[in-house]
Amino acid sequence: EAGVTQFPSHSVIEKGQTVTLRCDPISGHDNLYWYRRVMGKEIKFLLHFVKESKQDESGMPNNRFLAERTGGTYSTLKVQPAELEDSGVYFCASLPRGGDNEQFFGPGTRLTVL
Amino acid sequence: QQQVKQSPQSLIVQKGGISIINCAYENTAFDYFPWYQQFPGKGPALLIAIRPDVSEKKEGRFTISFNKSAKQFSLHIMDSQPGDSATYFCAASIFGNEKLTFGTGTRLTIIP
Repeated sequence: EAGVTQFPSHSVIEKGQTVTLRCDPISGHDNLYWYRRVMGKEIKFLLHFVKESKQDESGMPNNRFLAERTGGTYSTLKVQPAELEDSGVYFCASLPRGGDNEQFFGPGTRLTVL
Repeated sequence: QQQVKQSPQSLIVQKGGISIINCAYENTAFDYFPWYQQFPGKGPALLIAIRPDVSEKKEGRFTISFNKSAKQFSLHIMDSQPGDSATYFCAASIFGNEKLTFGTGTRLTIIP
């Protein structure tokens, strides 16, 4: 069974540019989460999808971040325009419906904003 | 305000020794406490988890100790091996809301 995949693995952009991160959860997992780790700090929750619906987006930093999950399969997280403080590692995780709380994480996308 | 505090930030242990990482939480509604292990270039992976109805859970060389009254929990790695070198994150969540609140991570290095 394929795990959670994320693309790209690294992205280096300039301040003011736009970047789109993609996450493909484990097939059949209804729950999809986005997290972010800024260097040296904790991994912070951004938002939670159940299928295509946003269940909780309380962790989204501001309206420069837009997450979508069309069709309830893969998800994208767009940052527009990117700021220096957006740099960090963005993780995606998935969990099956009725799962026992074990979230399966992808390898992350390292975003550097210059 | 950091809801889960983790220490130490980094830890060096000799092979065969015991590695201990501590976490403290503030929100008494938390009722699920997992530990995640992360190797370089990989995402965090669940190592072991505990619910507050027990004070200890052991899986092989890994043990979680949980103190509900002190709002603290810790990970003990017995007979630490070089392959255990990784970053460890404690986390907490509320049943029915699987959003995880993480600690800041501990970089563990096991030296021969």
